Amino acid sequence: ETGVTQTPRHLVMGMTNKKSLKCEQHLGHNAMYWYKQSAKKPLELMFVYSLEERVENNSVPSRFSPECPNSSHLFLHLHTLQPEDSALYLCASSQALGTESYEQYFGPGTRLTVT
Amino acid sequence: AQSVAQPEDQVNVAEGNPLTVKCTYSVSGNPYLFWYVQYPNRGLQFLLKYITGDNLVKGSYGFEAEFNKSQTSFHLKKPSALVSDSALYFCAVRVLMNTGFQKLVFGTGTRLLVSP
Repeated sequence: ETGVTQTPRHLVMGMTNKKSLKCEQHLGHNAMYWYKQSAKKPLELMFVYSLEERVENNSVPSRFSPECPNSSHLFLHLHTLQPEDSALYLCASSQALGTESYEQYFGPGTRLTVT
Repeated sequence: AQSVAQPEDQVNVAEGNPLTVKCTYSVSGNPYLFWYVQYPNRGLQFLLKYITGDNLVKGSYGFEAEFNKSQTSFHLKKPSALVSDSALYFCAVRVLMNTGFQKLVFGTGTRLLVSP
């Protein structure tokens, strides 16, 4: 596996379910990100982790709970979601925050549908 | 607020013709600007970036972008479009957060449709 991988690629869940999204990066980066992509809206940054420490939480509802056990893995735990949470969830990674070369590398995303 | 704007939801161009996808920015200080492309059912792919130096930046797949400080623009260009260039294009700017860390703020995206 190369780059950034995400599983599952598609997920359908009811509002009372609990599920988790997984992201893994194989690039040796030490910063990881969760984004939400909805139709007709800009990419929304949800969480940022640097060296497994959360450095940004963009007023995301508590029904989304991130976890970063090490610099290669990032999870997004979901529970009691709402239909408006249906979107494409993208994971990304980059070199350490604060460096000039700041391009982020994205995974293919998880298409989430909440019924 | 520091942001980028992509004024066109969609750009249509015939294969072989030059293409331009527009982006304007609003930041304090020197801007760090990026272009990304998203193909269907894929994540975003990095195309190019402007940090400092030459105003014309060359990137992947024959794309280039021109930084214009007076017009606060960073338009993406390609001399000869291919059908395979059809995708969603995002402009982004680096923003410094109160925590001292950086993040990227993306535009709403422009869909490029190249017809044969």
